[in-house]
Amino acid sequence: GESVGLHLPTLSVQEGDNSIINCAYSNSASDYFIWYKQESGKGPQFIIDIRSNMDKRQGQRVTVLLNKTVKHLSLQIAATQPGDSAVYFCAENYAGGTSYGKLTFGQGTILTVHP
Amino acid sequence: DGGITQSPKYLFRKEGQNVTLSCEQNLNHDAMYWYRQDPGQGLRLIYYSQIVNDFQKGDIAEGYSVSREKKESFPLTVTSAQKNPTAFYLCASSMDRANYGYTFGSGTRLTVV
Repeated sequence: GESVGLHLPTLSVQEGDNSIINCAYSNSASDYFIWYKQESGKGPQFIIDIRSNMDKRQGQRVTVLLNKTVKHLSLQIAATQPGDSAVYFCAENYAGGTSYGKLTFGQGTILTVHP
Repeated sequence: DGGITQSPKYLFRKEGQNVTLSCEQNLNHDAMYWYRQDPGQGLRLIYYSQIVNDFQKGDIAEGYSVSREKKESFPLTVTSAQKNPTAFYLCASSMDRANYGYTFGSGTRLTVV
């Protein structure tokens, strides 16, 4: 089956630095991507999404970049704060057939922000 | 406030028992999903339902069962056939079959004792 993978399982940064979390996906037919943040013992929270007809989308302190040529997705967090410490998941959706309407999640990256 | 509620937060199961995890949403979402999360791993899809009275197996459905009698509710039963049920279970819902954006519950941590 298709899979979504992450290059770095852990990332440690200093408060105030910018963070970049990467994700590789394998299905070129995927048309929608989401980044989620999950704090310990809680459910994932939506951060930002991007559709395959875009290559960049910005939110508040976050930017998602999509490179369809190399099937790569990244999440950039500006001025990282201790409250950003969490596990970050990317997820992809691929349309068509019985898989329509299901997200596939990557393994996750643990982001630790040091004061 | 609209949201998705999972209960209980913690659940303990004895060997050979069936247990049912509750998931209720008041977001008027059509689709609902159950995921399992193990330490150091991502989310794996157990079952999903896109409309009432219909549901589909996900990637790891063996040992689990669901029902979707109401739009608001999607309970998950972990049966005795599930040999390794200890995990964090997450329920999610989405607006329509295009699934653009899930809302997750806060999870149920199931432990076998």
